[in-house]
Amino acid sequence: QVQLVQSGAEVKNPGASVKVSCKASGYTFTSYGISWVRQAPGQGFEWMAWINAYNGDTNYAQKFQGRVTMTTDSSTSTAYMELRSLTSDDTAVYYCARDGSGVWFDPWGQGTLVTVSS
Amino acid sequence: QLVLTQSPSASASLGASVKLTCTLSSGHSSYAIAWHQQQPEKGPRYLMKLNSDGSHSKGDGIPDRFSGSSSGAERYLTISSLQSEDEADYYCQTWGTYVVFGGGTKLTVL
Repeated sequence: QVQLVQSGAEVKNPGASVKVSCKASGYTFTSYGISWVRQAPGQGFEWMAWINAYNGDTNYAQKFQGRVTMTTDSSTSTAYMELRSLTSDDTAVYYCARDGSGVWFDPWGQGTLVTVSS
Repeated sequence: QLVLTQSPSASASLGASVKLTCTLSSGHSSYAIAWHQQQPEKGPRYLMKLNSDGSHSKGDGIPDRFSGSSSGAERYLTISSLQSEDEADYYCQTWGTYVVFGGGTKLTVL
């Protein structure tokens, strides 16, 4: 079945960077894109960016431009999201989701909790 | 500006039906949306993609109790024969230049 499995929880100091992975299975990875979304504690969803897994084209939310980098590795069907210059406001669960070619956020990954604390 | 508006909360009795609403901002009434469910302490799950004409495509394993419909700028999610596990947050989402999420509706099953 189509599945996205994300890397485990992270605890980071303010100012550090975090890189979250999202491994796809059950479909042709390069035929779709991947969106990244985060959810702060008790809040709704905030879209961060999208990447085309075929050609690497990206679309970043203005808020995150310059601070987030999205990449993919087609040899392992894995997408990565790196967020730099972390502050406590970046404490959230980060989700990846298959998104593209007519598919919208189906499925979602299980989420990765990133805690930023000194 | 593309905005999705949802009521913060809704409630209905076990076994009854409920209709949740997602409203597209002015000038965007032709947009498709998607509905997602997030049960307490769980990750989100895709329910369906809903077009402006009311046609929709549901995710794998989504029960027939879940259906979608459209009218103008309104997009609806109807859940019939409510079960306790339907108590969750429901979010609508769309694509413009960027992805936009509604603020979510917390559904309580009484």
